[in-house]
Amino acid sequence: GAGVSQTPSNKVTEKGKYVELRCDPISGHTALYWYRQSLGQGPEFLIYFQGTGAADDSGLPNDRFFAVRPEGSVSTLKIQRTERGDSAVYLCASSLYPGHMNTEAFFGQGTRLTVV
Amino acid sequence: DAKTTQPPSMDCAEGRAANLPCNHSTISGNEYVYWYRQIHSQGPQYIIHGLKNNETNEMASLIITEDRKSSTLILPHATLRDTAVYYCIVRVGGTSGGSYIPTFGRGTSLIVHP
Repeated sequence: GAGVSQTPSNKVTEKGKYVELRCDPISGHTALYWYRQSLGQGPEFLIYFQGTGAADDSGLPNDRFFAVRPEGSVSTLKIQRTERGDSAVYLCASSLYPGHMNTEAFFGQGTRLTVV
Repeated sequence: DAKTTQPPSMDCAEGRAANLPCNHSTISGNEYVYWYRQIHSQGPQYIIHGLKNNETNEMASLIITEDRKSSTLILPHATLRDTAVYYCIVRVGGTSGGSYIPTFGRGTSLIVHP
């Protein structure tokens, strides 16, 4: 499909384990965003990539969270030493270069992470 | 980015127009108004955006006041499938400076009933 793809759709992990969440953006979109969403809340910004570089990582809650986008396309969000409070839906979005006038972001279906 | 204020919930009868308000009194001249919606268990979906003129597409209409301090999203004939949380966001567009990052509040939960 032509949309943003996130894998896995669901992930259950034990407290203290390491997890990786993958995002395949829309082809040609240079901007990529990660959000997380807790029940009853709006999406909370985590990190924004422009190409390969993290242009804004101010939303990452602590140093257990890290994200990469080595070739400017696929991105991986990595969480070390997971805690129960990390349980949430992790959303990825992509958009055309922000300098483009039509900068609407397209979201994936999210990865539901449950830490037990 | 300017903050937005939306009512936490609204309801609407199927087939009637749903008018969802948003206040953005501190909006800057280079900030656009964007609307997204999120149906249960899905990612947010883009609906429409505008700068100062009213906009219409196949999904909705966006009415922005002349002073740009508020806007209204109109779903002209709401259906049960329009039940969702609707988010109003202001963000920079084009090549001007500022943040391009969509920042979400808690939105308006719209329930369309039969």
